Amino acid sequence: AQSVTQLGSHVSVSEGALVLLRCNYSSSVPPYLFWYVQYPNQGLQLLLKYTSAATLVKGINGFEAEFKKSETSFHLTKPSAHMSDAAEYFCAVSRDSSYKLIFGSGTRLLVRP
Amino acid sequence: GAGVSQSPSNKVTEKGKDVELRCDPISGHTALYWYRQRLGQGLEFLIYFQGNSAPDKSGLPSDRFSAERTGESVSTLTIQRTQQEDSAVYLCASSLGVASYEQYFGPGTRLTVT
Repeated sequence: AQSVTQLGSHVSVSEGALVLLRCNYSSSVPPYLFWYVQYPNQGLQLLLKYTSAATLVKGINGFEAEFKKSETSFHLTKPSAHMSDAAEYFCAVSRDSSYKLIFGSGTRLLVRP
Repeated sequence: GAGVSQSPSNKVTEKGKDVELRCDPISGHTALYWYRQRLGQGLEFLIYFQGNSAPDKSGLPSDRFSAERTGESVSTLTIQRTQQEDSAVYLCASSLGVASYEQYFGPGTRLTVT
């Protein structure tokens, strides 16, 4: 069975500060991993995905994530937060035959001026 | 091109009534997924279609929930005898194929059961 744990339901950073959103996964097979962003009253948008190629994955809007098998982690980072980054972020894992996504509970990012 | 669309965007219904939620996937996408997002929680997988067959219905919470898909296009999620715990945002996603990894999500239908 696969599962995802996101540490911290809320993360608050100052504008210009480093963003770090944590995601740990559990999977009995090599996983595919994803980060999605959900802006208020909007649908989910794919930020980036890991599908067994390079372990450092770059996504849209300056975000990146690193797959660390030894730590079963896929943390999301951005060097400098913008006010427009305020949103809810979801980590997800997939790998069974249906490729359905198993989501974490989400982390709400707040950006302070 | 057009993205995934869902209708209605909002639905308020009385407990015990049946509701139908519609999803129009991106043209050419053979795989279609339904998820549910309860307030303050992550998304739960409900069911997926490959073409018009549903190999995995494991996420449907009860026999009150059913879904169908016409060919490789529109899908309808039906909830019978709605209960208050069914209140959630129901999201639909589509992808080129089951193994194409990237799912594109619609804006969702917010269902409120009073």
